[in-house]
Amino acid sequence: EVQLLESGGGLVQPGGSLRLSCAASGFTFSNYAMSWVRQAPGKGLEWVSIISGSGGSTYFEDTVKGRYTISRDNSKNTVYLQMKRLRAEDTAVYYCAKVNDMVVVRGLWVDVWGKGTTVTVSS
Amino acid sequence: QSVLTQPPSVSGAPGQRVTISCTGSSSNIGAGYDVHWYQLLPGTAPKLLIFRNSNRPSGVPDRFSGSKSGTSASLAITGLQAEDEADYYCQSYDSSLSASYVFGTGTTVTVL
Repeated sequence: EVQLLESGGGLVQPGGSLRLSCAASGFTFSNYAMSWVRQAPGKGLEWVSIISGSGGSTYFEDTVKGRYTISRDNSKNTVYLQMKRLRAEDTAVYYCAKVNDMVVVRGLWVDVWGKGTTVTVSS
Repeated sequence: QSVLTQPPSVSGAPGQRVTISCTGSSSNIGAGYDVHWYQLLPGTAPKLLIFRNSNRPSGVPDRFSGSKSGTSASLAITGLQAEDEADYYCQSYDSSLSASYVFGTGTTVTVL
């Protein structure tokens, strides 16, 4: 069974940093791109970042470019999201998501989701 | 502001058929990019319902079906059940200046 388990969420002050982790199991991790999708309170889904199976290609949504980095350790079946210079509007549930392909291409979709970890940016 | 528009809510009695529209433009659905659909239930991981416009992953009941035409797509739920009460989102790719993976605005389905 494919499972994704997020961790690292919490309360952080504006301007602070946080690193999310997602431990994956049940599939050949390096064969698939991985992503992070968030949902702010009372809002819709927003695709934040994607990393290819090899880690060599990434995508970032405009509002997080330059503040977030995504990485993966295929030896540990884990993907990370490093978030810096956090803003109140970054407050959201962050979902780890397995993507249907190995590469970052236009026709991607999420075929497995984690349960999410909550990030709250507030003073 | 999402580039894919969905009705905020739809409702139906048990057993009825409801449809959720996902309206885009020439830079996303109309450009030929596929549409995918997800179900969000409170407290659980989101679930893929439909991929590539009309394909169901294994395990998804055939009560759920998807279609796409022009700049829009639709999700239909037939034989509505109480467990279908959830939020539903469409998703595609947008090739405008800020090329991105986009979700719809989301629709809450209420079973009366």
